[in-house]
Amino acid sequence: QVKLLQSGAALVKPGTSVKMSCKPSGYTFTDYWMSWVKQSHGQSLEWIGEIYPNSGATNFNEKFKGKATLTVDKSTSTSYMELSRLTSEDSAIYYCTRSNYNNYGFAYWGQGTLVTVSS
Amino acid sequence: DIVLTQSPALAVSLGQRATISCRASQSVSVSRYNLMHWYQQKPGQQPKLLIYRASNLASGIPARFSGSGSGTDFTLTINPVQADDIATYYCQQSRESPWTFGGGTKLELK
Repeated sequence: QVKLLQSGAALVKPGTSVKMSCKPSGYTFTDYWMSWVKQSHGQSLEWIGEIYPNSGATNFNEKFKGKATLTVDKSTSTSYMELSRLTSEDSAIYYCTRSNYNNYGFAYWGQGTLVTVSS
Repeated sequence: DIVLTQSPALAVSLGQRATISCRASQSVSVSRYNLMHWYQQKPGQQPKLLIYRASNLASGIPARFSGSGSGTDFTLTINPVQADDIATYYCQQSRESPWTFGGGTKLELK
């Protein structure tokens, strides 16, 4: 079955960057868009952006342009998100997620990566 | 961006019906497709898809969950509510990028 395995929690200093990973299994990696979603503590969900692994094409929420960079490594079937110039506002849980088809909702979610930005 | 508005909390009794609403700032329907989806999230867990395209039950979801609505007004119904349903529920639209989520409705026991 489809699973999305995310990298572990990260404690990082303000002004630095963090890169997290999402490794899917149970399907052909290059066939589906992968989205990333932010959830600040006790808050709602924000869609950051998406990447199509086959081509590397990306779409972003304007709010996260310049903050998030999405990449993939097709050789290891892994998706990555890097967040730059971190502030306390970036402390959150970040999920990778995938839909089955366009406009069918996000059917599969990783377990989340907790990022804590603190000096 | 399309803003989705949900009531912050709803108190229900076990065995009763729960109706959770979501209102969009503009229509999220395209021809016959209503591009609204519903998720359940329990503390410490990732969200789980319950309903896609307003009224379609996702795989493995019990039939006590149902969804309805079109245009700007959508509803998630749980009937009857069971103890395992105590969670926060989010709506999400895929009509227009950026895909947006509602603020969430926390279902509580009365």
